[in-house]
Amino acid sequence: GNSVTQMEGPVTLSEEAFLTINCTYTATGYPSLFWYVQYPGEGLQLLLKATKADDKGSNKGFEATYRKETTSFHLEKGSVQVSDSAVYFCALAKAAGNKLTFGGGTRVLVKP
Amino acid sequence: DAGVTQSPTHLIKTRGQQVTLRCSPKSGHDTVSWYQQALGQGPQFIFQYYEEEERQRGNFPDRFSGHQFPNYSSELNVNALLLGDSALYLCASSLEPQNTEAFFGQGTRLTVV
Repeated sequence: GNSVTQMEGPVTLSEEAFLTINCTYTATGYPSLFWYVQYPGEGLQLLLKATKADDKGSNKGFEATYRKETTSFHLEKGSVQVSDSAVYFCALAKAAGNKLTFGGGTRVLVKP
Repeated sequence: DAGVTQSPTHLIKTRGQQVTLRCSPKSGHDTVSWYQQALGQGPQFIFQYYEEEERQRGNFPDRFSGHQFPNYSSELNVNALLLGDSALYLCASSLEPQNTEAFFGQGTRLTVV
């Protein structure tokens, strides 16, 4: 079946540092890939997505590239802010239907 | 434009009881999915409703059931509650099952004691 593996946290960074969160997946066919963010006490917000190989999703300074050859979708941001402190989830969905399969989440803490 | 709204926000139930959680989808959305998020874990797919029918189901027992109404809102029912059912229950809505961009509500925190 489908599965998503992402690096365990917590990841602790200083403001303006570079952030990378690794995500790899196992799936049949060509899934769509997503990064969701969850702020304390809130639900999930879609951060970015990519629907086919070599697509790059980007939003709010975050980027991730769909790499089919390495089955990866790593999240990066060049300069993090305190407000980026949250839990980040990598997820995939098949093209037909929108059942999402999530990774376990990575907690990021950015210190001033 | 109201997003996905869920009620109640928090709920405490006793083992063996039954609970009903409610979800109103984002305006214009017709598909509702439910997820269970245990503490410190990623969300797990429970089931999805479209056109008032369950279209997909995850690996959850029959104690978990749902319903979708003609206005697209949805309910999640859990019978014979177990301590392990304590979790954040998230509702997500989208437009048609083929649209994989899901919008999530803030969730209902269920505690079973």
